[in-house]
Amino acid sequence: TQLLEQSPQFLSIQEGENLTVYCNSSSVFSSLQWYRQEPGEGPVLLVTVVTGGEVKKLKRLTFQFGDARKDSSLHITAAQPGDTGLYLCAGEGALNFGKGTSLLVTP
Amino acid sequence: DSGVTQTPKHLITATGQRVTLRCSPRSGDLSVYWYQQSLDQGLQFLIQYYNGEERAKGNILERFSAQQFPDLHSELNLSSLELGDSALYFCASSPRGSTGVVRGNTIYFGEGSWLTVV
Repeated sequence: TQLLEQSPQFLSIQEGENLTVYCNSSSVFSSLQWYRQEPGEGPVLLVTVVTGGEVKKLKRLTFQFGDARKDSSLHITAAQPGDTGLYLCAGEGALNFGKGTSLLVTP
Repeated sequence: DSGVTQTPKHLITATGQRVTLRCSPRSGDLSVYWYQQSLDQGLQFLIQYYNGEERAKGNILERFSAQQFPDLHSELNLSSLELGDSALYFCASSPRGSTGVVRGNTIYFGEGSWLTVV
């Protein structure tokens, strides 16, 4: 099993701040996905990245896949309370998940 | 609403017992996935079925088994339950069976079944 490590484990910030969370592995992935999970719900796919160095934007969220396809980052600009949730990265078709970053954005 | 339906939503049972969790995939989806989520282990992939056949296997214990029926619904059977089996169990579905590059093959998760073993 390819290990995905996410950092930080927990993050508590105020509305309007910027943040970056990371997903790292020693293995190469053919694709990597980011999900957001809200309390009481299942994870929801945010983005899939496939190409090394790829950058994808989803409103205030920017996702980057590392050149070597071993790591990825998620940057949120001007965080809002609605961004609160557990952010999970997953490799190889959602068969391998990191433990996630739990984000709390307070007003 | 993802379109994936899981029942029951909550279940409390005793150690040693057996339970069955049920999943109805989104209309038209052929693949069903099962996951276990706990605080210490995170979200762990258990098993995937595609059109009735087992497609991929993850960290599924021998005490657990699953199947996908001709109408594409799936059941996860958990037997000889232990306290450590207490977790949130998710079902997910996708249109295709591919487990590699999945751009265009989005996986949709249900709301989960909370299992508490006492």
